Amino acid sequence: GAVVSQHPSWVICKSGTSVKIECRSLDFQATTMFWYRQFPKQSLMLMATSNEGSKATYEQGVEKDKFLINHASLTLSTLTVTSAHPEDSSFYICSARETGLAGENYEQYFGPGTRLTVT
Amino acid sequence: AQTVTQSQPEMSVQEAETVTLSCTYDTSESDYYLFWYKQPPSRQMILVIRQEAYKQQNATENRFSVNFQKAAKSFSLKISDSQLGDAAMYFCAYRSAESYNTDKLIFGTGTRLQVFP
Repeated sequence: GAVVSQHPSWVICKSGTSVKIECRSLDFQATTMFWYRQFPKQSLMLMATSNEGSKATYEQGVEKDKFLINHASLTLSTLTVTSAHPEDSSFYICSARETGLAGENYEQYFGPGTRLTVT
Repeated sequence: AQTVTQSQPEMSVQEAETVTLSCTYDTSESDYYLFWYKQPPSRQMILVIRQEAYKQQNATENRFSVNFQKAAKSFSLKISDSQLGDAAMYFCAYRSAESYNTDKLIFGTGTRLQVFP
């Protein structure tokens, strides 16, 4: 089956620093990847849709300058949390959509998530 | 805008018994997909089952089946012969099949399922 990895699985950083999270599709190409945020005991909230070779589409209320997304290749998307603050502490999950499948009949494959703690 | 509602924050079931998780949604679209995802303590999202709105037949995957009522906008998940490994958070999700907006998954708030031996 299709596998999506995330790195790191957890990270602790100091307030004011930036942290980068990688999302990779290991055995398939992904034109589109998605970044979600999940607070404890809550649902997944879509932050942005990442398209290879173009700018990401952010959901309403998500700060573009704070959450930088780069999708430079068909197997890698990165999320950089800039000038992180304690309120950015959360669980970040990516998913990837396989390229080439026509129409709507495709799946999103999820990564295992990254736990970010900002001290 | 589409919304997904899961009214049961927590459910519990005895091992080997059957449990049903509820999900309702709101949409003005006629063509869409519905999903149930499982999130165990590892936090890895796992697709349990999917349903295409244009299909009248309810989807089934081994012990998991759905009751899809399109007119009522209801999409419940039935887990038969529950196992300890079924304990997890279960999320209902909606995805549009309209050509202009096919990618986004809209999740419900989740139901935590406990399975007792």
